[in-house]
Amino acid sequence: NAGVTQTPKFQVLKTGQSMTLQCAQDMNHEYMSWYRQDPGMGLRLIHYSVGAGITDQGEVPNGYNVSRSTTEDFPLRLLSAAPSQTSVYFCASRPGLDGRGTQYFGPGTRLTVL
Amino acid sequence: AQKVTQAQTEISVVEKEDVTLDCVYETRDTTYYLFWYKQPPSGELVFLIRRNSFDEQNEISGRYSWNFQKSTSSFNFTITASQVVDSAVYFCALSEVLYNNNDMRFGAGTRLTVKP
Repeated sequence: NAGVTQTPKFQVLKTGQSMTLQCAQDMNHEYMSWYRQDPGMGLRLIHYSVGAGITDQGEVPNGYNVSRSTTEDFPLRLLSAAPSQTSVYFCASRPGLDGRGTQYFGPGTRLTVL
Repeated sequence: AQKVTQAQTEISVVEKEDVTLDCVYETRDTTYYLFWYKQPPSGELVFLIRRNSFDEQNEISGRYSWNFQKSTSSFNFTITASQVVDSAVYFCALSEVLYNNNDMRFGAGTRLTVKP
């Protein structure tokens, strides 16, 4: 049971480049989310999904796109990277569609935008 | 909106000391869940505990214990006889069930350093 997996682990981009962070889970969880972690700010929600074909914005969605074509996969796209997007990105999933479930996190992707 | 405050940015203790990490939350929901996560130097987020708003019993798991007090909106975490392996950043988080159940809110984290 792999849980939540993320690729890549590290990435360096130049300003204006685009890329996709991959996330997959094998726990059949309906809910998936993307967070970014910045020093002194904890984790902040970027986008989330409550099932295949359904996505919504979180607290800091600007500059990011998501889609959910299957229950397992939830990629995060940066369309035109900016230095302000330098951060550590975590994907998570949880059982259930309300706040009761425990979120389980992937290992994270450390992104640097030059 | 819900909010979590971890006022202690960094704590440093010597091994075998007890240490308490504070967590204060704000929510308008009557049903909510509180969580603690550990982030060791390797960077992953490790789930430690989940507590619902109707259960104010203290919980103990080995050297770890949690004190949930609704009257003061606090969910504090105590490590007894700390060890070097406890060095990590610890996050407290809040998840509402009714009002905003899709956005788990995290505190800024407390960095704990346990010195040998």
